[in-house]
Parts: sequence; C-alpha cells; structure tokens
Amino acid sequence: EDKVVQSPLSLVVHEGDTVTLNCSYEVTNFRSLLWYKQEKKAPTFLFMLTSSGIEKKSGRLSSILDKKELFSILNITATQTGDSAIYLCAAPHGSGNTGKLIFGQGTTLQVKP
Amino acid sequence: DAGITQSPRHKVTETGTPVTLRCHQTENHRYMYWYRQDPGHGLRLIHYSYGVKDTDKGEVSDGYSVSRSKTEDFLLTLESATSSQTSVYFCAISETGAIPPHGYTFGSGTRLTVV
Repeated sequence: EDKVVQSPLSLVVHEGDTVTLNCSYEVTNFRSLLWYKQEKKAPTFLFMLTSSGIEKKSGRLSSILDKKELFSILNITATQTGDSAIYLCAAPHGSGNTGKLIFGQGTTLQVKP
Repeated sequence: DAGITQSPRHKVTETGTPVTLRCHQTENHRYMYWYRQDPGHGLRLIHYSYGVKDTDKGEVSDGYSVSRSKTEDFLLTLESATSSQTSVYFCAISETGAIPPHGYTFGSGTRLTVV
C-alpha cells in the first residue's frame, strides 16, 4: 500500500532559525513529489520534484529529492512568522495518469517572534 | 482561489440528514477532485472525476457519492451525514491527469460540522 510519512508532525521555532521538514514515501510507480504550504485556507503549491539530487529553490525555501532513499526534505532558512503554516508533501499514486495524490499527515510549523 | 469556488463555506448539519457540497470551476479543466482534511491525516481523496459523468472512488469514499453533469460543477453528497464526516472538504481541479509542474489548484474549502 502506498504511503507518505512526514516528520516531525509539529515544530516550534523562533524567527531566524533554519528548519528542515522531512517526507518519506513508498509509492508504486513513483513519478514526482510535491510540497504545499497551507495557511488558513487552501494548500498552495511550493515545489514539484521529479529528479533525484536536484535542488529546487524559491527565496528562503528549498527542497531536494532522494529517489534512492525515498525521501525529500524542505528547508526554510531565516524563518519568519509568516512561515507559520502546515506543510504538506504528496505524491501521485495509482496506475495511469489520474492526478490522484496521496498526502502525508502534514508538519505544523509555528514560528515565534 | 480565482477559477474555483466551493459552497457553502461553512455548514452545520444534524446526523442523518443529507448534505451536498458544490465545487464550481471556470477553468474548463477536465479533472476535479474532492479531498477531506482531518488532523493527523493530511488530505485524503474521496472521489474524483475525469470528465462529465465520469467519476471514480478515492481512498475514503464510503458514505459519499458524487455527480458531474457538466464540466464546471462537481457535487459531493453525504447521503446520511454522520459525526465521523465532520471535516474540512477541499475541491481541486487539474487540466490533465498528469500532475502539471505547478501542481493543481485547490478551492478554499468547506468546513462541515455534523452534530
């Protein structure tokens, strides 16, 4: 059975800290891994990773995929209170291209001033 | 989000009553999805649609049905609501079944409470 597991489930840091969020997966016919940020409403897209070892970067956020060890990490440097959110990772699963995503439990990040 | 609207935004209903949630899109996307979000579970797929009148089950479909009679609307129905269906429901849309490089777009959610 396919699964995606995130750790830690929650994290409290202070502004300026660097955080690393983890996502491990076991997905048949793995194609890609996605990261989303969810504040109060809809999840918003951060990254899609398809190739191992290639870092994706957007400002203070970066992510990398390791297809050999079946995990991805999301790094946030110099955290700000606006980074407080739930971070979700997900992977397409099932046969064929249906767009079905399997999500991890999410990591709730709280950044204190 | 622009292009995808969920209604109602909040609803409180009694156990045993039928409830229908609506997802409306103006993007003419072929694929539409219903997820539920509960603490400790992330998002879980309920049902999805790959075209008008074409739907299939997700991982947590028991107690739910869906209908898609036109491209823009995807309805999720709880035939007889139970307290275990208290959740936040998200709709999502995608142009294709292959996840696009920008992911797919989620609606703002419907918070459903069954009392």
